[in-house]
Amino acid sequence: AQSVAQPEDQVNVAEGNPLTVKCTYSVSGNPYLFWYVQYPNRGLQFLLKYITGDNLVKGSYGFEAEFNKSQTSFHLKKPSALVSDSALYFCAVRDRGTDKLIFGTGTRLQVFP
Amino acid sequence: EADIYQTPRYLVIGTGKKITLECSQTMGHDKMYWYQQDPGMELHLIHYSYGVNSTEKGDLSSESTVSRIRTEHFPLTLESARPSHTSQYLCASSESQGDHAEAFFGQGTRLTVV
Repeated sequence: AQSVAQPEDQVNVAEGNPLTVKCTYSVSGNPYLFWYVQYPNRGLQFLLKYITGDNLVKGSYGFEAEFNKSQTSFHLKKPSALVSDSALYFCAVRDRGTDKLIFGTGTRLQVFP
Repeated sequence: EADIYQTPRYLVIGTGKKITLECSQTMGHDKMYWYQQDPGMELHLIHYSYGVNSTEKGDLSSESTVSRIRTEHFPLTLESARPSHTSQYLCASSESQGDHAEAFFGQGTRLTVV
């Protein structure tokens, strides 16, 4: 079965510092991977996705993610964090058999001024 | 902003009441989904649909039911609400062409059953 894991419940970073939110995946075949962000009392917003091609994927709000096949990872990154980046971040994988979108457990990012 | 709408945003209701959470999208997407989100934030798929007259159970067992009579509409119904149904419910949709399409989410319905 397809799955993703987010090993950190919370990540704390100072404003202006680089941030990384980790995600590892377990899939058969080539993965379709996604990152979403959720602000308080809101639905999820799509940030970026990896389908194929370049391992570095650029997305919304200055975020990017690096696909690493050997480490089965798809970590979300940003060179300089903003306080407004504080939110919940979800990694997801598309189950290509059932077409379901399967989410990780989420990571709460806290950016301190 | 994605064109997918959920109503109501917040609902407080008594035990035993029947409720329907509405979800509509104007993007013409065939695939639609309902997720239940724990207070601790984890998302669980409870229902999904590939198109009109298609409904499937998700990974988390749920006492709710869904229907898909029209492409744009995917309502979720609880026949008899209980406090254990208290949660946030998120609706989503995605294109049917290719399984790499991202899903678009509504703003969610926060349900409290007292």
